[in-house]
Amino acid sequence: DPKIIQKPKYLVAVTGSEKILICEQYLGHNAMYWYRQSAKKPLEFMFSYSYQKLMDNQTASSRFQPQSSKKNHLDLQITALKPDDSATYFCASSQPTGGKDTQYFGPGTRLLVL
Amino acid sequence: DAKTTQPDSMESTEGETVHLPCSHATISGNEYIYWYRQVPLQGPEYVTHGLQQNTTNSMAFLAIASDRKSSTLILTHVSLRDAAVYHCILNSGGSNYKLTFGKGTLLTVTP
Repeated sequence: DPKIIQKPKYLVAVTGSEKILICEQYLGHNAMYWYRQSAKKPLEFMFSYSYQKLMDNQTASSRFQPQSSKKNHLDLQITALKPDDSATYFCASSQPTGGKDTQYFGPGTRLLVL
Repeated sequence: DAKTTQPDSMESTEGETVHLPCSHATISGNEYIYWYRQVPLQGPEYVTHGLQQNTTNSMAFLAIASDRKSSTLILTHVSLRDAAVYHCILNSGGSNYKLTFGKGTLLTVTP
């Protein structure tokens, strides 16, 4: 059974619209993350949450808003979508240990903005 | 600035042993060496990690130099399923949870 679920797998949106990317993890972890990967580029860190609190935000735009309704959920709301937002968005989770911290990634949501 | 340096690509044949090098000359004492791999259209997959001692698991053997300025991921009996981009990443954990991915090494495996 998949331990990190991301929904939907594929998403097509029009410019200016709003979408929510869903992430649920069943690993019992207390830290969750979002990364983005644009075409043929390395993964880029976006956010990290620990115990449902924002720890780090590396996105320049407020159009990207993580939402943590439950300990094992970290959704990503994207507003006023632009074609440049087209990318694959990966959710990850880990158990904070105060030292090493192994992150496990979900399968990703591929977003295409037209 | 990149904290790790890896070759852009390497090639291997099924059944061989592959040594994937990584240079991290400015590594700090509290930084762990992590290896992930990623195949197209999938999320990164954790491979292994280490601090000072060599480590081994079902996926790979990680050899860490005594001065910790370099490491080598060793894959034995590679198969076509091992073809991926391999990333060597330094992670200090704690409150800095960000993983910084670079281009990694594209490992091509031929039958």
